[in-house]
Amino acid sequence: DTGVSQNPRHKITKRGQNVTFRCDPISEHNRLYWYRQTLGQGPEFLTYFQNEAQLEKSRLLSDRFSAERPKGSFSTLEIQRTEQGDSAMYLCASSSDGRGKAFFGQGTRLTVV
Amino acid sequence: DQQVKQNSPSLSVQEGRISILNCDYTNSMFDYFLWYKKYPAEGPTFLISISSIKDKNEDGRFTVFLNKSAKHLSLHIVPSQPGDSAVYFCAASYNAGNMLTFGGGTRLMVKP
Repeated sequence: DTGVSQNPRHKITKRGQNVTFRCDPISEHNRLYWYRQTLGQGPEFLTYFQNEAQLEKSRLLSDRFSAERPKGSFSTLEIQRTEQGDSAMYLCASSSDGRGKAFFGQGTRLTVV
Repeated sequence: DQQVKQNSPSLSVQEGRISILNCDYTNSMFDYFLWYKKYPAEGPTFLISISSIKDKNEDGRFTVFLNKSAKHLSLHIVPSQPGDSAVYFCAASYNAGNMLTFGGGTRLMVKP
């Protein structure tokens, strides 16, 4: 399967703990995106990388959130000092087309208790 | 401020009939629109898109219509099949931007 891969699929953590998610994009895609989706809502943009450069960040991305894409391959999204409001599905997507036709992974569901 | 809205949270149609999913937007800067389909426990899957220079784009059973003056787009599925049952999201972007703004989704149920 050469689609977008996200790990872990599920994460339960206690409030205040740090968590890190990983995304492996489709190998030939130079663009990588992170979105967050809460129940009953559409995905909300968090951040975008072109190769290893982080080119856009949403105002939703507080200073507790940090994303990296070393060497322009896989990406990690870290949330420090998690809060209950961080509970959501975190979706990663990649594309070779800047018009938004992106391929999404299955997501990482985060539950903060 | 929701810039992309899908006002119908759910839609039920009979197999073989037409499904029409609607989407409204407020930001006149949007120049590219997409529809994604999402099955449970999967990520969204790209379905069809349209540039603002067009008013219609067709791909098999799926057609997207864009009315720029009304800031409205719609997705038509003809004929509808039970396998089309999913949540459908419309999304928009501008200036060849990489950020997609999504609507809240419409759950389509196609009954056999």
